[in-house]
Amino acid sequence: QSVLTQPPSESGTPGQRVTISCSGSSSNIGSNAVNWYQQLPGAAPKLLIYSNNQRPSGVPDRFSGSKSGTSASLAISGLQSEDEADYYCAAWDDSLNGVVFGGGTRLTVL
Amino acid sequence: QVQLVQSGAEVRAPGASVQVSCKASGYTFTGYYVHWVRQAPGQGLEYLGWFNPSSGDSYFAQKFQGRVTMNRDTSITSAFMELSRLRSDDTAVYFCARVKRGSYSIFDYWGQGTLVTVSS
Repeated sequence: QSVLTQPPSESGTPGQRVTISCSGSSSNIGSNAVNWYQQLPGAAPKLLIYSNNQRPSGVPDRFSGSKSGTSASLAISGLQSEDEADYYCAAWDDSLNGVVFGGGTRLTVL
Repeated sequence: QVQLVQSGAEVRAPGASVQVSCKASGYTFTGYYVHWVRQAPGQGLEYLGWFNPSSGDSYFAQKFQGRVTMNRDTSITSAFMELSRLRSDDTAVYFCARVKRGSYSIFDYWGQGTLVTVSS
């Protein structure tokens, strides 16, 4: 069981907006920033959003992140077929003194 | 450009040990923490721990304490993760990842992954 909770799957049609939720607790999301990673099939994860809502260079502005209390969300607007991937949220956990991940959400573009 | 290049796939028998290497290039190796993450087949990401290449300090997730060690060779800018007393459920792809400067937990660069298979 992952420390952070994500829905196992989400789906959308091209052009649509989808959101992926991530729920944690006071020791992780409640007191630290959330990062999101995208993992394409057979590849290493890639940093998608950091510090709740910052995009690394090269990440399209279709991707956005937000955080409120002990929950966070990733939004993808103008969904494209290449967005089909697994998405993971992560945060530092003060109690565990390490990083905790969500279980991952598989996004399907219909 | 920043790169983390990991060693190749390994097959080990239950009870054995395995060492995975992670060679860094394109940045000052001792200036950034390295973290290790694994992914069992068809499963999500699981955190193993972090390592400071400058001091040699490390921290391991409780689940792996007593079985995992991390060290480095600064002369070849490489970090190493060794997992002992392997079990079948240790079969996974093991990733090293660099932490973004000034951060505890933002993994801005990842290795390509090393598949470790535990099988008799």
